[in-house]
Amino acid sequence: GNSVTQMEGPVTLSEEAFLTINCTYTATGYPSLFWYVQYPGEGLQLLLKATKADDKGSNKGFEATYRKETTSFHLEKGSVQVSDSAVYFCALSGLPGANSKLTFGKGITLSVRP
Amino acid sequence: EPEVTQTPSHQVTQMGQEVILRCVPISNHLYFYWYRQILGQKVEFLVSFYNNEISEKSEIFDDQFSVERPDGSNFTLKIRSTKLEDSAMYFCASKQDSYEQYFGPGTRLTVT
Repeated sequence: GNSVTQMEGPVTLSEEAFLTINCTYTATGYPSLFWYVQYPGEGLQLLLKATKADDKGSNKGFEATYRKETTSFHLEKGSVQVSDSAVYFCALSGLPGANSKLTFGKGITLSVRP
Repeated sequence: EPEVTQTPSHQVTQMGQEVILRCVPISNHLYFYWYRQILGQKVEFLVSFYNNEISEKSEIFDDQFSVERPDGSNFTLKIRSTKLEDSAMYFCASKQDSYEQYFGPGTRLTVT
């Protein structure tokens, strides 16, 4: 079955540091890939997505590239801010439709110090 | 901006009791989901619902669980007889016809 593996956390960085959060996946076919973020006390929000190989998703300075050859979707940001402190989840789904359930990684907590 | 809401935010119940977790999906969405996250573990899919019936369920979603969309706006998850291991954060999600699922803030269920 499908699975997503994220690097172990938590991660603590200073403001303006470079961020990489690793994500690899196992899936049949051609999944869509997502990063969701959860700010304290809130629900999961879609941060970015990529629906086919070599696509780059980007939003709010974050980006991730769908790498089929390495089955990876690593999240990067060049300069993190305190407001980026949150839990980040990598996820995948199959084709769109009724059964497009999401398979999540374990999530990683990012704390950014001023 | 429309959002998915869930109530209550925290529910404490005794083992063996029934609980109903409530969700109000975004009004023009067609697909509805429940997920859960046991503390320190992955977010896991429970069930998807479309056109007033379950379209897929995981092996976690056994006979103790049921879902309902009773009035065209609410989407509920019922656990008939709670166990200690049902303690988790439960997330509701909905989507229209795109890839993106919109999530609610979650209900923390504590079974004692």
